Parts: sequence; C-alpha cells; structure tokens
Amino acid sequence: DTEVTQTPKHLVMGMTNKKSLKCEQHMGHRAMYWYKQKAKKPPELMFVYSYEKLSINESVPSRFSPECPNSSLLNLHLHALQPEDSALYLCASSQDIFGRRQGNSGNTIYFGEGSWLTVV
Amino acid sequence: SQQGEEDPQALSIQEGENATMNCSYKTSINNLQWYRQNSGRGLVHLILIRSNEREKHSGRLRVTLDTSKKSSSLLITASRAADTASYFCATDAVKLTFGTGTRLTIIP
Repeated sequence: DTEVTQTPKHLVMGMTNKKSLKCEQHMGHRAMYWYKQKAKKPPELMFVYSYEKLSINESVPSRFSPECPNSSLLNLHLHALQPEDSALYLCASSQDIFGRRQGNSGNTIYFGEGSWLTVV
Repeated sequence: SQQGEEDPQALSIQEGENATMNCSYKTSINNLQWYRQNSGRGLVHLILIRSNEREKHSGRLRVTLDTSKKSSSLLITASRAADTASYFCATDAVKLTFGTGTRLTIIP
C-alpha cells in the first residue's frame, strides 16, 4: 500500500476546462514530485518541490501549474490542456531532494497510484 | 531524456523460472534503484544499491552493480505470476531518472 495518496484516480476534461490533481503524503517527507507517464514509457519528471519551494521545473508548459500549499500537499493545476497531455500523472515524495544528501546515503522515492488524465 | 536503457524490453518466462533484467546508464551515479509497476498503477520501490556496493539481496531479488561498466542487473528467482509487471531501473544524481523498462510476463 502506498502512503502517497492521489485524487482523482481518473479525470476526463475538455481543452477549455480548469481542473486540479491533488496529492498528499504524511511521511514527513520534504521533497515532492510530479511525474508524467505515457503508455509503455518510463515516468518523466515534471516538477520537484523541496521544503515547499519549487526546486526543479523540467521546462513544463505553463498550462501545468504546480502548487505546494504545505509540506504534506502537492497540487497540479491544469488549464487549456491538449489531447497529447493525456497520460498517467504520478505524484511522489522522498525524505529530501537528490543532491542535497551527502555521500551515498540513498533516497527512496515513494509513488502514489497516479491520476489517469484524458483530455478530449 | 532517459538515463538508462534496459534489456530486454520484454521478457516472458514460465512460473518458477528465474528472470534477469539488465540496465545500462550513461553518467556517474550516487545510487541505482529498481522499481516495479503493475499495469496502470503507481511504482513500487524494490531495492536501492549504492555506488560503492556490488551486490544486494532482498528476498527473491538480487541486484548487481558494475560502475566500471555503468550497468546493473536485477534477478528475480523462482518467479510467480504476481511478478508480472514492468520493471524500471532509476539512477539518481540531481534527480531520479528512469530507464526504458522491461515488461516481464510470468506464464502460469
């Protein structure tokens, strides 16, 4: 069972809609992530938040807008999406961001079950 | 772009047999991790091996790491139908980057 909870599990939206994906973790992790995964492809990083501040934006189009209201919550606001944005969106968390920890201490990322997004 | 390439892309074996998946990566790493993903589900962390380790075991899983060849392998022994899933290696430096994945099918 995952300790990262994502809602909704499925979302169908039109290209003019505004919707949000939500993610919650209660493991005390200070890093949270959004990944996008297309069918039969590996997850691709979109955003990284560290201590509630945006740390990495992988050149994601502005129609995707992340928000971290507090250390347990991560949202992804969606507006004016395109059909090619249809994918599985995965939220994840870890104790800290990569690169901050010294040496080989390791940093496991825990994933939620994902939100299936279909843009019509 | 992906850091790792996995081989084979797909693998089908009989239940009870061993399954081996390989991962090659391009740049220096701190650690290498393996994840499993059941169809349409989230990723589950399986095992992490540090760059100064050569082999690690966890239950029926055995992971090796050869930093000189920039490669890793995941061995699943005595496979079960429930092992059917996609398996990804992931390398970490500034961020966690996933390989292309191996789709494993266990035939009952």
